[in-house]
Amino acid sequence: GNSVTQMEGPVTLSEEAFLTINCTYTATGYPSLFWYVQYPGEGLQLLLKATKADDKGSNKGFEATYRKETTSFHLEKGSVQVSDSAVYFCALRWDKAAGNKLTFGGGTRVLVKP
Amino acid sequence: DAGVIQSPRHEVTEMGQEVTLRCKLISGHNSLFWYRQTMMRGLELLIYFNNNVPIDDSGMPEDRFSAKMPNASFSTLKIQPSEPRDSAVYFCASSRTGPDQPQHFGDGTRLSIL
Repeated sequence: GNSVTQMEGPVTLSEEAFLTINCTYTATGYPSLFWYVQYPGEGLQLLLKATKADDKGSNKGFEATYRKETTSFHLEKGSVQVSDSAVYFCALRWDKAAGNKLTFGGGTRVLVKP
Repeated sequence: DAGVIQSPRHEVTEMGQEVTLRCKLISGHNSLFWYRQTMMRGLELLIYFNNNVPIDDSGMPEDRFSAKMPNASFSTLKIQPSEPRDSAVYFCASSRTGPDQPQHFGDGTRLSIL
C-alpha cells in the first residue's frame, strides 16, 4: 500500500540552526508530495508541494526536493526561528482519480529554543 | 476570504450523549474531509466527500459515527452514543477538485467525553 514515513521527533534546535526533517514514501505510480505545518491550537496549513520528480517546493525559507530515485521528500531550512516551532507533516497524493485524498506521515514535532 | 469554519471549538460531554460537530466549507470548494487527531494514532482520515457524495468512508471507526453534507457548503459529523475513547481533536478540511489542489483545514474541535 501507499505510506509515508517521517523521522520521529521531537527535534529540538537552537535559533538559527539548520533543520532537516526526513520523509520517505512508498507508492505506486507518481504521487504528488506535500509538507503541511501545524502550529499549536490550529489546523494544518500547506507549507509547500512538488508534483513531479526533481521538482523543488519552497516557501517561508523551507525547501524540499522530490527525489524519485530515493523516494524521498526531505524538508530543510537553513536558519530556523522560534516561530518555526510546530508539528510538520509529510503527505502524498497518489491517485488523481481518488480526488485530493492525502496519506499523511506521523508528524515531526520541532521545538526551536531562543 | 473566510477559511474553513468549525464549531464548536471545544466540547465536553458525558459518555452516551450525542455529539454533533459542524463544518462550513470555503466558498467554491467541493471536496470535504473529516479527520481525527490523537496522540496515540496521529492524524486519521475518517471520511471524504466530493460534490456532496461520500467517496470513501473506510476510516469511520464504527456505526456510532455518521457524516452528512446536507448542502454544498456545510457538513456534520455525529457520534451517537459517544464514548471516552472518542476524545480527540476533529478537523475538517476542504479543497477544490482538480490536480494538486491543497486541502484547507479548520482549527478543529477538541472533544472530551467523560
